[in-house]
Amino acid sequence: QQQVKQSPQSLIVQKGGISIINCAYENTAFDYFPWYQQFPGKGPALLIAIRPDVSEKKEGRFTISFNKSAKQFSLHIMDSQPGDSATYFCAASRGGGADGLTFGKGTHLIIQP
Amino acid sequence: EAQVTQNPRYLITVTGKKLTVTCSQNMNHEYMSWYRQDPGLGLRQIYYSMNVEVTDKGDVPEGYKVSRKEKRNFPLILESPSPNQTSLYFCASKVRTAEETQYFGPGTRLLVL
Repeated sequence: QQQVKQSPQSLIVQKGGISIINCAYENTAFDYFPWYQQFPGKGPALLIAIRPDVSEKKEGRFTISFNKSAKQFSLHIMDSQPGDSATYFCAASRGGGADGLTFGKGTHLIIQP
Repeated sequence: EAQVTQNPRYLITVTGKKLTVTCSQNMNHEYMSWYRQDPGLGLRQIYYSMNVEVTDKGDVPEGYKVSRKEKRNFPLILESPSPNQTSLYFCASKVRTAEETQYFGPGTRLLVL
């Protein structure tokens, strides 16, 4: 049973556009929702994260929108740049740090110049 | 420099030949974990460790072993590798608190013939 569903699998966006990646989760015990960014040949790195007590978190061009009732959260990349081309993973965890991360399957994002 | 290191980075082996992938972190993190990454499947947790001498199964533990004799090291052992264990492996670590940021190593690409 896949606990975190991510879409789309791949995404092509023009430079300057908005990239949107969506995730849905099933386990209501999840209380932490990070996004990881992975460049080819590298390990994933934390990009931005949110807890369910807020509906939105913004860091620079990256925003997480969180809908607790729908059990969905999304990553928005504003003014997308070629350097944003990477694979993005949403994830979820619970227990205030006791549990590991359950990842979505990833989105391969390409920003065209 | 704070980091997670893995060795080897690339490994080609044959079915049944025991191998060990090492993982070491210099951040004094209590929590360490192993993931495998496969195309279309994202990252899946193999094993994790809350602290020295404390390990537990993740989502896909079959065919793997781990040990945690020292806080900084968390080796992954494949006692009898099979071709379905061909994958990209990541080690990760974090402080065992509500802070969820996991720091990933650079990955080990394994091919089992």
